[in-house]
Amino acid sequence: AQSVTQLDSQVPVFEEAPVELRCNYSSSVSVYLFWYVQYPNQGLQLLLKYLSGSTLVKGINGFEAEFNKSQTSFHLRKPSVHISDTAEYFCAVNTGNQFYFGTGTSLTVIP
Amino acid sequence: DTGVSQDPRHKITKRGQNVTFRCDPISEHNRLYWYRQTLGQGPEFLTYFQNEAQLEKSRLLSDRFSAERPKGSFSTLEIQRTEQGDSAMYLCASSPRRDRGRTEAFFGQGTRLTVV
Repeated sequence: AQSVTQLDSQVPVFEEAPVELRCNYSSSVSVYLFWYVQYPNQGLQLLLKYLSGSTLVKGINGFEAEFNKSQTSFHLRKPSVHISDTAEYFCAVNTGNQFYFGTGTSLTVIP
Repeated sequence: DTGVSQDPRHKITKRGQNVTFRCDPISEHNRLYWYRQTLGQGPEFLTYFQNEAQLEKSRLLSDRFSAERPKGSFSTLEIQRTEQGDSAMYLCASSPRRDRGRTEAFFGQGTRLTVV
């Protein structure tokens, strides 16, 4: 069975400070990993994805994530956040047939 | 814009009524997914199509829920005899068929259902 755990439900951070949103997954097969962002009353927008190759992946809006197979983690980072980064962030895995999502992390950037 | 389109964006219905939602995927995407999202939760898988074939259905999907994708293009999700617990955001996504999941899902804006 596959599952995704997002360890922090809410993360407040001051503007221009760095942030890390944590994601751990469990799977008995190879997985492909994704981070999505959701703004209020909107669908999900892809931030970045890990399919293969380099374990450090860069996405849109200055976000990056590192795939760590031994720790089964895929943490999302940004060195300096902006007010516009306030949103809900979801980690997801795909093993071939469907996407499994975590419960989300609400990022609030404080001016 | 050729993104995933969902209609309607919002639906308010009385308990016991039937509702139907439509999803138009990105053309040439042969996979289509339906998810349900309640407040403070991540999207929960409901069902998935490859072309017109419904290949997987969640146990969460009661008999009151049915989905179709005639001709492998647009899809509809129908909820019969709605209950207040059906109130949620219903998300549709599509993806091209690649090697066992080596692609992201592209999401629509969702349909917000409120059952009163």
